[in-house]
Amino acid sequence: AQSVTQLGSHVSVSEGALVLLRCNYSSSVPPYLFWYVQYPNQGLQLLLKYTTGATLVKGINGFEAEFKKSETSFHLTKPSAHMSDAAEYFCAVINAGNNRKLIWGLGTSLAVNP
Amino acid sequence: NAGVTQTPKFRILKIGQSMTLQCTQDMNHNYMYWYRQDPGMGLKLIYYSVGAGITDKGEVPNGYNVSRSTTEDFPLRLELAAPSQTSVYFCASTFGTGDSPLHFGNGTRLTVT
Repeated sequence: AQSVTQLGSHVSVSEGALVLLRCNYSSSVPPYLFWYVQYPNQGLQLLLKYTTGATLVKGINGFEAEFKKSETSFHLTKPSAHMSDAAEYFCAVINAGNNRKLIWGLGTSLAVNP
Repeated sequence: NAGVTQTPKFRILKIGQSMTLQCTQDMNHNYMYWYRQDPGMGLKLIYYSVGAGITDKGEVPNGYNVSRSTTEDFPLRLELAAPSQTSVYFCASTFGTGDSPLHFGNGTRLTVT
């Protein structure tokens, strides 16, 4: 069965520091991979996605993620954190033919300290 | 486009009461989903639909029912509310082709006391 593991349920960084949120997945076939962000009292919105092609994917708000097949990872990074980045981040994976049911990680809560 | 609209935003129910959470989308998406989100537990899929007239159970369907009579609407029904159903509920939709992402509503915060 597919699964998604997000290492660290809470991550805290200083403003201006590197953000690194980790995501590992298990899949028997090449997956589609997604990162979503959830700001307080809001729904989730897409940050970025990997389908095929370039393994380094750029998303909104300066975030990017790199697909590493050999490590089955899709870690999310941002060079310099802003206070506005404080949110919950979710990694998800989907395979074609699965009725579009995403497999979700449990989320990582990012705190940004001044 | 309004996207995915959920109503109500907040609701308090007494044990045993019933209610319907409304979800509508104006993007002509085929696939629609209901999730519940509990602290530290991520998103759990309750029900989903791949098109009008077709619904199926997700991971945690007990205590809920859905219908999909139109492409736009996917209401979630709670028949006999229980404290375990206290949660935040999200509706989402997608075209369902290739890598099309999910679009989420802003959620309904439900408390059962």
